[in-house]
Order: sequence, then structure tokens, then C-alpha cells
Amino acid sequence: DAKTTQPNSMESNEEEPVHLPCNHSTISGTDYIHWYRQLPSQGPEYVIHGLTSNVNNRMASLAIAEDRKSSTLILHRATLRDAAVYYCILRAPPYTGKLIFGQGTTLQVKP
Amino acid sequence: EPEVTQTPSHQVTQMGQEVILRCVPISNHLYFYWYRQILGQKVEFLVSFYNNEISEKSEIFDDQFSVERPDGSNFTLKIRSTKLEDSAMYFCASTRLAGGQRDTQYFGPGTRLTVL
Repeated sequence: DAKTTQPNSMESNEEEPVHLPCNHSTISGTDYIHWYRQLPSQGPEYVIHGLTSNVNNRMASLAIAEDRKSSTLILHRATLRDAAVYYCILRAPPYTGKLIFGQGTTLQVKP
Repeated sequence: EPEVTQTPSHQVTQMGQEVILRCVPISNHLYFYWYRQILGQKVEFLVSFYNNEISEKSEIFDDQFSVERPDGSNFTLKIRSTKLEDSAMYFCASTRLAGGQRDTQYFGPGTRLTVL
């Protein structure tokens, strides 16, 4: 899978929006951008994915740059429960199904 | 909402002993995975399993490891002779589609393996 770059850590205040960036300058035209998160002492959890257009679901929004070399996961109102490690992962050929996790961004949410 | 379950939640074993970690994937899922996470490190892929055979395995998944789907619901990871460095969280995951790039993987809560 193509490489992604994320900040090691970010802080947010509760009930404020959070923008988690991800750079993926070597992305190819058919690579999907996936986000997972891992709450403390739990398994990873799917958040959202997209290809070219911005995407929204009940958990978050995904904003994808026009050139697709970067994306931003948006949590509209952070809660204490959103404190987790967030992983940006590209799904690239040969689509074998495995996920390759980087270090991710550790999000701290302050009350 | 359907979920992946894993048992036990914590397994303590002596070095050299065999352990079997168990997972029940979501019932209509086709593709199964094991990952591990050593404390403080990244989540690492171990093996994927589809249609009753291994699809892909990492270099971590050596001859000491094996996987099996013994019946229609369970998916197991066996470590034949555990080493201290096998101590980690082991996560099972499953996906409905056959490994496509849009598929979503659903992870279990993990089994913490401690090798003494």
C-alpha cells in the first residue's frame, strides 16, 4: 500500500471540531482512502472511506483534496470518547485485503 | 449490530506451550484475518484466510503459527511453541467482501497473550 504521513499527536477540546490531516502524495488513481481508529484497549474500528468526493457518515466526514494527495478526517464535535489513535490507510493493488497500519495520530480530547 | 468476538480476553502461558486463540467472525463474512499488536507498537498483519485456505501471510507468520476454520463459525490461530516475543494483543477481523479495496474490516476486541 502507498505511504501515508500523519502527525504523531493532536489535541482538541471537547465539543469542538477536529481536523486530522493525512498526506499521501504517491496515491494512485484507483487507491481508496480509509480511516480507522483504535480506542484505548480495543481493536481498530472502521471510521470512513472515500475515493475522490467528500464523504459523510454518522461518525465523521472525509474531505479529499482535489489532487488527492491529501485528505482530512473531520470530527464535527469531539467528545471524550473520540480520544483514540486515528489511522489513515490507502487500499491499493493487489487488493489482498490486508490493512497496513502506520503509527497514526493520537488524538487527545480535553474536557 | 453484529460483531466479531474473541476468546479468551487474556491468555497467560509458559514459554514453549501451545496456545489457541479463538474468534467468531460476523456470520455472513467471507474473509478472515489475524493481526497482532505488541505493546506500544503498530498493528501488524499476520494472515488472511478465504475459502478455507490462507490467502496471504506476513513474514511474522512462520511455521509456529497456523490458522483453521474448524466449523462454520469459529476461526482459530494456533501458536505451536510460544516464545516471549509472542506476547502481544491478537486481533481477529472479518470482512464481507473478498478483499476488495472498498471493503470494511470489522475487528474483535482482541486477546492479550502473555508468555512467561
